[in-house]
Amino acid sequence: GENVEQHPSTLSVQEGDSAVIKCTYSDSASNYFPWYKQELGKGPQLIIDIRSNVGEKKDQRIAVTLNKTAKHFSLHITETQPEDSAVYFCAASRYAGGTSYGKLTFGQGTILTVHP
Amino acid sequence: SAVISQKPSRDICQRGTSLTIQCQVDSQVTMMFWYRQQPGQSLTLIATANQGSEATYESGFVIDKFPISRPNLTFSTLTVSNMSPEDSSIYLCSVRPVTPRGYEQYFGPGTRLTVT
Repeated sequence: GENVEQHPSTLSVQEGDSAVIKCTYSDSASNYFPWYKQELGKGPQLIIDIRSNVGEKKDQRIAVTLNKTAKHFSLHITETQPEDSAVYFCAASRYAGGTSYGKLTFGQGTILTVHP
Repeated sequence: SAVISQKPSRDICQRGTSLTIQCQVDSQVTMMFWYRQQPGQSLTLIATANQGSEATYESGFVIDKFPISRPNLTFSTLTVSNMSPEDSSIYLCSVRPVTPRGYEQYFGPGTRLTVT
């Protein structure tokens, strides 16, 4: 089955700096890669995703890049703010036919701390 | 997206008892899932809740311990049976809304269970 490795496990940055979190996956058939942000006491929130037909996607201060050849994808957060502090999870799944996708396999999570 | 509510939001239970967690979505969804998140850990899929039929369980999870119902397209329950302290976790309901893309997945706020 799919295996997703996420690094680093913790990341500490100063406000205004950039933060990068990286994930690698094992199943070359995986083609959907979402990122989730989980704040303390809340459920994971989908913040951005990418499908394998694109290499990069941006949404304001966050972006995700995908390298299918190397089987890795990354989350980039620019101009970090204290409210970006949370646990971030990457995940991967594959197309299963019709409009169906298989189950998500999650990385281990990254605790991001943004210091004011 | 979808608005997902879970009841209860948290509970403290005695070992040997059972707790039923409810998940309600504000719109029809194609798939509903139940996850467990142990303290400081990633998300582990317990099962896929199938409407009108038995749930599909992941390796390591069994119906006798985690019976699941899904009587319609917007509601599901997860029961944690004969609880032990090792069952202390966050239990998360997750759904895929009916959309042309079919792959976006959203999470509820979670139920924080402590077993004493």
